[in-house]
Amino acid sequence: QVTLRESGPALVKPTQTLTLTCTFSGFSLSTNGMCVTWIRQPPGKALEWLARIDWDDDKSYSTSLKTRLTISKDTSKNQVVLTMTNMDPVDTATYFCARIYRGGWNYIDYWGQGTLVTVSS
Amino acid sequence: DIQMTQSPSSLSASVGDRVTITCRASQSISSYLNWYQQKPGKAPKLLIYAASSFHSGVPSRFSGSGSGTDFTLTISSLQPEDFATYYCQQTYSSPDTFGQGTKLEIK
Repeated sequence: QVTLRESGPALVKPTQTLTLTCTFSGFSLSTNGMCVTWIRQPPGKALEWLARIDWDDDKSYSTSLKTRLTISKDTSKNQVVLTMTNMDPVDTATYFCARIYRGGWNYIDYWGQGTLVTVSS
Repeated sequence: DIQMTQSPSSLSASVGDRVTITCRASQSISSYLNWYQQKPGKAPKLLIYAASSFHSGVPSRFSGSGSGTDFTLTISSLQPEDFATYYCQQTYSSPDTFGQGTKLEIK
Protein backbone atom coordinates (compact mmCIF):
# COMPACT_ATOMS: atom_id res chain seq x y z
CA GLN A 1 0.00 0.00 0.00
CA VAL A 2 1.49 3.30 -1.12
CA THR A 3 1.14 6.25 1.22
CA LEU A 4 2.73 9.70 1.37
CA ARG A 5 2.53 12.20 4.17
CA GLU A 6 3.71 15.80 4.26
CA SER A 7 5.04 17.38 7.44
CA GLY A 8 6.36 20.78 8.33
CA PRO A 9 5.41 24.05 9.96
CA ALA A 10 1.90 25.37 9.57
CA LEU A 11 3.06 28.95 9.97
CA VAL A 12 6.20 30.67 8.77
CA LYS A 13 7.20 34.31 8.83
CA PRO A 14 8.06 36.34 5.74
CA THR A 15 11.70 35.94 4.64
CA GLN A 16 12.05 32.65 6.54
CA THR A 17 12.95 29.34 4.93
CA LEU A 18 10.29 26.65 4.70
CA THR A 19 11.33 23.02 5.09
CA LEU A 20 8.80 20.33 4.22
CA THR A 21 9.30 16.60 4.53
CA CYS A 22 7.48 13.95 2.56
CA THR A 23 7.57 10.56 4.27
CA PHE A 24 6.41 7.71 2.12
CA SER A 25 5.88 3.98 2.24
CA GLY A 26 4.98 1.21 -0.16
CA PHE A 27 7.67 1.96 -2.73
CA SER A 28 11.36 2.73 -2.94
CA LEU A 29 12.92 5.79 -4.51
CA SER A 30 15.83 3.65 -5.57
CA THR A 31 13.59 1.74 -8.00
CA ASN A 32 14.04 2.70 -11.65
CA GLY A 33 11.37 5.17 -12.74
CA MET A 34 10.20 6.16 -9.28
CA CYS A 35 10.03 9.87 -8.51
CA VAL A 36 8.51 12.18 -5.92
CA THR A 37 7.12 15.55 -6.85
CA TRP A 38 5.93 18.58 -4.89
CA ILE A 39 2.89 20.58 -5.94
CA ARG A 40 1.19 23.47 -4.18
CA GLN A 41 -2.23 25.07 -4.29
CA PRO A 42 -2.98 28.54 -2.90
CA PRO A 43 -6.43 28.78 -1.35
CA GLY A 44 -9.07 28.76 -4.09
CA LYS A 45 -6.48 28.63 -6.85
CA ALA A 46 -4.98 26.14 -9.27
CA LEU A 47 -2.35 23.49 -8.77
CA GLU A 48 1.23 24.64 -9.27
CA TRP A 49 4.04 22.16 -9.93
CA LEU A 50 7.15 22.93 -7.86
CA ALA A 51 9.83 20.28 -8.12
CA ARG A 52 10.62 16.62 -8.73
CA ILE A 53 13.37 14.27 -7.67
CA ASP A 54 13.98 11.05 -9.56
CA TRP A 55 15.29 7.62 -8.58
CA ASP A 56 18.67 8.49 -10.09
CA ASP A 57 18.83 11.76 -8.09
CA ASP A 58 18.00 13.86 -11.13
CA LYS A 59 16.15 17.02 -10.02
CA SER A 60 13.75 19.36 -11.81
CA TYR A 61 12.39 22.70 -10.63
CA SER A 62 9.71 25.20 -11.49
CA THR A 63 11.28 27.81 -13.73
CA SER A 64 9.79 30.71 -11.79
CA LEU A 65 10.80 29.34 -8.37
CA LYS A 66 14.02 27.46 -9.03
CA THR A 67 16.26 30.02 -7.35
CA ARG A 68 14.33 29.45 -4.10
CA LEU A 69 13.80 25.69 -4.16
CA THR A 70 15.94 22.74 -3.20
CA ILE A 71 14.76 19.13 -3.28
CA SER A 72 16.64 16.20 -1.81
CA LYS A 73 16.01 12.61 -0.85
CA ASP A 74 17.03 10.17 1.85
CA THR A 75 16.34 6.79 0.34
CA SER A 76 17.14 4.92 3.54
CA LYS A 77 14.51 6.91 5.44
CA ASN A 78 11.97 6.98 2.58
CA GLN A 79 11.87 10.76 2.76
CA VAL A 80 12.02 13.67 0.35
CA VAL A 81 12.71 17.15 1.63
CA LEU A 82 11.75 20.40 -0.08
CA THR A 83 13.14 23.72 1.06
CA MET A 84 11.86 27.07 -0.12
CA THR A 85 13.74 30.20 0.85
CA ASN A 86 12.59 33.77 1.36
CA MET A 87 8.96 32.93 2.02
CA ASP A 88 6.31 35.54 1.21
CA PRO A 89 2.59 35.74 1.98
CA VAL A 90 1.86 34.78 -1.65
CA ASP A 91 3.46 31.41 -0.87
CA THR A 92 0.56 30.61 1.45
CA ALA A 93 -0.78 27.34 0.07
CA THR A 94 -1.47 23.69 0.63
CA TYR A 95 1.67 21.78 -0.29
CA PHE A 96 1.29 18.26 -1.64
CA CYS A 97 3.87 15.60 -2.25
CA ALA A 98 3.06 12.84 -4.70
CA ARG A 99 4.52 9.81 -6.39
CA ILE A 100 5.10 9.75 -10.10
CA TYR A 101 6.35 6.79 -12.08
CA ARG A 102 8.42 7.83 -15.07
CA GLY A 103 8.96 4.41 -16.60
CA GLY A 104 6.67 4.94 -19.55
CA TRP A 105 3.70 7.27 -19.48
CA ASN A 106 4.46 9.60 -16.62
CA TYR A 107 1.61 10.26 -14.23
CA ILE A 108 0.94 10.92 -10.55
CA ASP A 109 -0.84 7.95 -9.09
CA TYR A 110 -0.57 8.63 -5.36
CA TRP A 111 -0.83 11.89 -3.45
CA GLY A 112 -0.33 12.92 0.14
CA GLN A 113 -3.19 14.65 1.90
CA GLY A 114 -1.41 18.00 1.74
CA THR A 115 -0.25 20.40 4.43
CA LEU A 116 -1.38 24.01 4.68
CA VAL A 117 1.42 26.51 5.11
CA THR A 118 0.52 30.07 6.02
CA VAL A 119 3.06 32.86 5.61
CA SER A 120 2.36 35.70 7.98
CA SER A 121 4.18 37.89 10.46
CA ASP B 1 8.13 25.85 -20.29
CA ILE B 2 5.10 24.25 -21.89
CA GLN B 3 1.94 26.21 -21.13
CA MET B 4 -1.33 24.34 -20.63
CA THR B 5 -4.58 26.18 -21.29
CA GLN B 6 -7.91 24.70 -20.24
CA SER B 7 -11.33 25.79 -21.36
CA PRO B 8 -13.75 26.62 -20.08
CA SER B 9 -12.57 27.84 -16.67
CA SER B 10 -15.97 27.00 -15.23
CA LEU B 11 -18.98 25.13 -16.43
CA SER B 12 -22.53 24.67 -15.17
CA ALA B 13 -24.27 21.45 -16.08
CA SER B 14 -27.01 19.12 -14.94
CA VAL B 15 -26.98 15.50 -13.86
CA GLY B 16 -27.13 13.38 -16.99
CA ASP B 17 -25.51 15.97 -19.25
CA ARG B 18 -22.58 15.22 -21.53
CA VAL B 19 -19.67 17.53 -20.78
CA THR B 20 -16.41 18.18 -22.60
CA ILE B 21 -13.37 20.00 -21.21
CA THR B 22 -10.52 21.06 -23.47
CA CYS B 23 -6.82 21.34 -22.76
CA ARG B 24 -4.35 22.87 -25.19
CA ALA B 25 -0.57 22.67 -24.96
CA SER B 26 1.70 25.45 -26.20
CA GLN B 27 3.76 22.87 -28.11
CA SER B 28 3.40 19.23 -29.01
CA ILE B 29 3.42 16.89 -26.01
CA SER B 30 2.66 13.68 -27.90
CA SER B 31 0.21 11.89 -25.59
CA TYR B 32 1.87 12.83 -22.30
CA LEU B 33 -1.31 14.34 -20.95
CA ASN B 34 -3.04 13.43 -17.70
CA TRP B 35 -6.39 14.43 -16.24
CA TYR B 36 -7.10 14.76 -12.51
CA GLN B 37 -10.25 15.39 -10.54
CA GLN B 38 -10.14 17.38 -7.32
CA LYS B 39 -12.88 17.87 -4.76
CA PRO B 40 -12.76 20.61 -2.12
CA GLY B 41 -10.28 19.95 0.67
CA LYS B 42 -8.94 16.81 -1.00
CA ALA B 43 -5.90 15.85 -3.00
CA PRO B 44 -6.43 15.40 -6.74
CA LYS B 45 -7.16 11.96 -8.12
CA LEU B 46 -5.90 10.57 -11.40
CA LEU B 47 -8.61 9.90 -13.97
CA ILE B 48 -6.87 9.54 -17.31
CA TYR B 49 -3.20 9.15 -18.24
CA ALA B 50 -1.47 9.07 -21.62
CA ALA B 51 -4.35 11.18 -22.97
CA SER B 52 -6.82 8.32 -23.21
CA SER B 53 -5.94 5.51 -20.79
CA PHE B 54 -8.20 4.90 -17.79
CA HIS B 55 -6.67 4.80 -14.35
CA SER B 56 -7.78 1.87 -12.24
CA GLY B 57 -11.28 2.23 -10.85
CA VAL B 58 -12.30 5.23 -12.94
CA PRO B 59 -15.88 4.96 -14.22
CA SER B 60 -16.28 4.39 -17.92
CA ARG B 61 -18.34 7.57 -18.33
CA PHE B 62 -14.98 9.41 -18.27
CA SER B 63 -12.96 9.37 -21.46
CA GLY B 64 -10.00 11.23 -22.86
CA SER B 65 -8.77 11.89 -26.35
CA GLY B 66 -6.23 13.87 -28.30
CA SER B 67 -2.55 14.02 -29.10
CA GLY B 68 -0.02 16.65 -30.01
CA THR B 69 -1.42 19.91 -28.66
CA ASP B 70 -5.18 19.43 -28.31
CA PHE B 71 -6.89 17.20 -25.79
CA THR B 72 -10.36 16.65 -24.38
CA LEU B 73 -11.89 15.09 -21.31
CA THR B 74 -15.47 13.97 -21.76
CA ILE B 75 -17.96 12.88 -19.14
CA SER B 76 -20.72 11.08 -20.99
CA SER B 77 -23.48 11.35 -18.37
CA LEU B 78 -22.78 13.54 -15.36
CA GLN B 79 -23.35 12.03 -11.95
CA PRO B 80 -23.70 14.02 -8.71
CA GLU B 81 -20.25 12.93 -7.55
CA ASP B 82 -18.63 14.36 -10.71
CA PHE B 83 -19.09 17.98 -9.67
CA ALA B 84 -15.50 18.97 -8.94
CA THR B 85 -12.53 20.76 -10.47
CA TYR B 86 -10.61 19.08 -13.28
CA TYR B 87 -6.97 19.68 -14.16
CA CYS B 88 -4.86 18.60 -17.09
CA GLN B 89 -1.11 18.11 -16.71
CA GLN B 90 1.62 17.54 -19.25
CA THR B 91 4.53 15.28 -18.37
CA TYR B 92 6.28 15.42 -21.74
CA SER B 93 9.01 17.70 -20.47
CA SER B 94 9.92 19.27 -17.15
CA PRO B 95 8.52 21.33 -15.54
CA ASP B 96 5.40 19.16 -15.53
CA THR B 97 2.90 21.97 -15.89
CA PHE B 98 -0.81 21.97 -15.02
CA GLY B 99 -3.69 23.71 -16.65
CA GLN B 100 -5.53 26.36 -14.66
CA GLY B 101 -8.44 24.03 -13.91
CA THR B 102 -12.08 23.73 -14.91
CA LYS B 103 -14.68 23.97 -12.16
CA LEU B 104 -17.74 21.90 -12.93
CA GLU B 105 -20.78 23.13 -11.05
CA ILE B 106 -24.35 22.00 -10.73
CA LYS B 107 -26.83 23.99 -12.81
